[in-house]
Amino acid sequence: DGGITQSPKYLFRKEGQNVTLSCEQNLNHDAMYWYRQDPGQGLRLIYYSQIVNDFQKGDIAEGYSVSREKKESFPLTVTSAQKNPTAFYLCASTMGQGGGSTEAFFGQGTRLTVV
Amino acid sequence: DAKTTQPTSMDCAEGRAANLPCNHSTISGNEYVYWYRQIHSQGPQYIIHGLKNNETNEMASLIITEDRKSSTLILPHATLRDTAVYYCIVRVAWTGKLIFGQGTTLQVKP
Repeated sequence: DGGITQSPKYLFRKEGQNVTLSCEQNLNHDAMYWYRQDPGQGLRLIYYSQIVNDFQKGDIAEGYSVSREKKESFPLTVTSAQKNPTAFYLCASTMGQGGGSTEAFFGQGTRLTVV
Repeated sequence: DAKTTQPTSMDCAEGRAANLPCNHSTISGNEYVYWYRQIHSQGPQYIIHGLKNNETNEMASLIITEDRKSSTLILPHATLRDTAVYYCIVRVAWTGKLIFGQGTTLQVKP
C-alpha cells in the first residue's frame, strides 16, 4: 500500500544532541513538508520541498535542517540550536509542486522528547 | 499567505449534523480551501477540499460562500468517532504550502 512513513514513533534525546527524524513516501509525490505541533496547538510549517535537491524555509525553520536527495525521502534534523525541540513532528507529501487541487497525505508523526 | 479563523470549540449531539464554520477573508482566487481532522496524537486525515463550488464526498459536504471569504464543513450525521480537531486550511497557490490555523475541537456527545 502507498503511504508516508515516519520513524521512529517516539524518540528521546539528551539536550545538546542533534537528532534526525525520518520521513519516507512511496506515493511518487513531488512535494514534502515538515510540521511541528505543540500541545493544544495547530501545526506550524518548518520546511518544505517541492522538488529533489531544493527546499524552502517555513515559518519556524530556525534550529532545523533538511535535505532532499531523493524524491521519496525528506529527513529532518533537529539541531542543538533549536531552543525547545520537544514536540510532535509531522511529515506530509503532496502530488505536484504547487497549485491547490491535490490533497496532502500525513505520516503518523514522531514524538520527540529532549531531556 | 491567507489565514483562516475558526471557533475554538463546538459541541454536537450524536446523529445530528455538525456545521463547522471557517473564515478565510484574504483568500486569493486560485487558493483552495481544505479541511482535515486530527484525532489525538495521530496525523491529520484529509476530509474534503474545494475552490469555489460546493463539494460533497462520503465523509462530508463543503459549502463555500459566493465571495469565497468563508466556508462551512458539514458532517451530516455526526458520530462519537467524529470527535476530533478540525482544521480549515488554505492551500497556497504555486508553493503548495498548507497553512494551518488553531482548528476547532468538535465534541460529539451521546
